[in-house]
Amino acid sequence: AQSVTQPDIHITVSEGASLELRCNYSYGATPYLFWYVQSPGQGLQLLLKYFSGDTLVQGIKGFEAEFKRSQSSFNLRKPSVHWSDAAEYFCAVGGMTTDSWGKFQFGAGTQVVVTP
Amino acid sequence: DTEVTQTPKHLVMGMTNKKSLKCEQHMGHRAMYWYKQKAKKPPELMFVYSYEKLSINESVPSRFSPECPNSSLLNLHLHALQPEDSALYLCASSQILAGTDTQYFGPGTRLTVL
Repeated sequence: AQSVTQPDIHITVSEGASLELRCNYSYGATPYLFWYVQSPGQGLQLLLKYFSGDTLVQGIKGFEAEFKRSQSSFNLRKPSVHWSDAAEYFCAVGGMTTDSWGKFQFGAGTQVVVTP
Repeated sequence: DTEVTQTPKHLVMGMTNKKSLKCEQHMGHRAMYWYKQKAKKPPELMFVYSYEKLSINESVPSRFSPECPNSSLLNLHLHALQPEDSALYLCASSQILAGTDTQYFGPGTRLTVL
């Protein structure tokens, strides 16, 4: 069965420190991969996405992610975290067959807390 | 403009009430979605409309009734809800219904059922 795993439920990071959020997937082919961020009580905002090509993807707000086929991973990184990065982060895989188009498979999410 | 708007922001209703949630986008998108999100959980897909036709219904109880009157508008009609239906209801849209298409989310309606 296809799945998306975010191993870390909760991460605490100091402001100015680097951040890495893990995402692992289990799919036969290269999946359509997305990272979304959700601030408290808000909707989801797309940070970046990967379908093919260059495996290092740049997104908004200074985030980047690297697709590693050998590790079935699509980890999100930011070199220097700001207090405003405190939020819930979701990794998602887009449906890859016509009968699953529109059906995002979301990971459980990682809550990021930023300390002064 | 990549904005999806949702009204109301908050809604409190009794189990016998009938209410509606509204979602609007003016990006020319032809696929629109309803999600339900409980606290500390990822969104769960409820319905998908593609070109104003219901394309996906994820076995949602009939007390939730979606409607897509035109390409910009998506409604969710609520009737006889249960307290466990209290959640954040998110609307999203994408250009078309495709696996690669980015879904743009609205801010959500926080629903409380008493």
